[in-house]
Amino acid sequence: DTEVTQTPKHLVMGMTNKKSLKCEQHMGHRAMYWYKQKAKKPPELMFVYSYEKLSINESVPSRFSPECPNSSLLNLHLHALQPEDSALYLCASSQRPIGQDYEQYFGPGTRLTVT
Amino acid sequence: GEDVEQSLFLSVREGDSSVINCTYTDSSSTYLYWYKQEPGAGLQLLTYIFSNMDMKQDQRLTVLLNKKDKHLSLRIADTQTGDSAIYFCAERRSSASKIIFGSGTRLSIRP
Repeated sequence: DTEVTQTPKHLVMGMTNKKSLKCEQHMGHRAMYWYKQKAKKPPELMFVYSYEKLSINESVPSRFSPECPNSSLLNLHLHALQPEDSALYLCASSQRPIGQDYEQYFGPGTRLTVT
Repeated sequence: GEDVEQSLFLSVREGDSSVINCTYTDSSSTYLYWYKQEPGAGLQLLTYIFSNMDMKQDQRLTVLLNKKDKHLSLRIADTQTGDSAIYFCAERRSSASKIIFGSGTRLSIRP
């Protein structure tokens, strides 16, 4: 199994809703990442989990709350989002957070629309 | 600065070679990557090169690295319609546990 899976593929939510994005990998990778990608732009790093601990938060607003319940799962909890948060949210994983085994493998993304 | 720069568009004829260029800023970058993104999809890691190499070949893909000029290129031989996508170059700096992406080059193939 060499893939990163993300659910749901598409999500439409109102500004008062609470929803969660899920990411899963079974490659034994110990680093997992959330990225946000707006149309025609490169991915922007949001969070990095290293050995199930949050190691990087790129000054992301608190309406985005990450969670890593175990080494295979990564969640992104969403609450009180704004329309400008509409984007493709990508999850990635790498075998290690630093060093040679750093290549990041991406999931297909969740396309989020905030109305 | 943090910029990794790429030209935005490239159009090539089917069967020709495509060359996508990238310049990066940090001479301490250890790994440089090429990712492919098809419409509506995530990023697919195509290849990477370690900074002490100057060339890497993998089937139709050739990566060239000029460390002195901080210039990276990806050559796709015999370009096919399935190669239509956005190609991102990315650098990983030795001091950081994150990678910096370029703006992406949209490759379109004409018959």
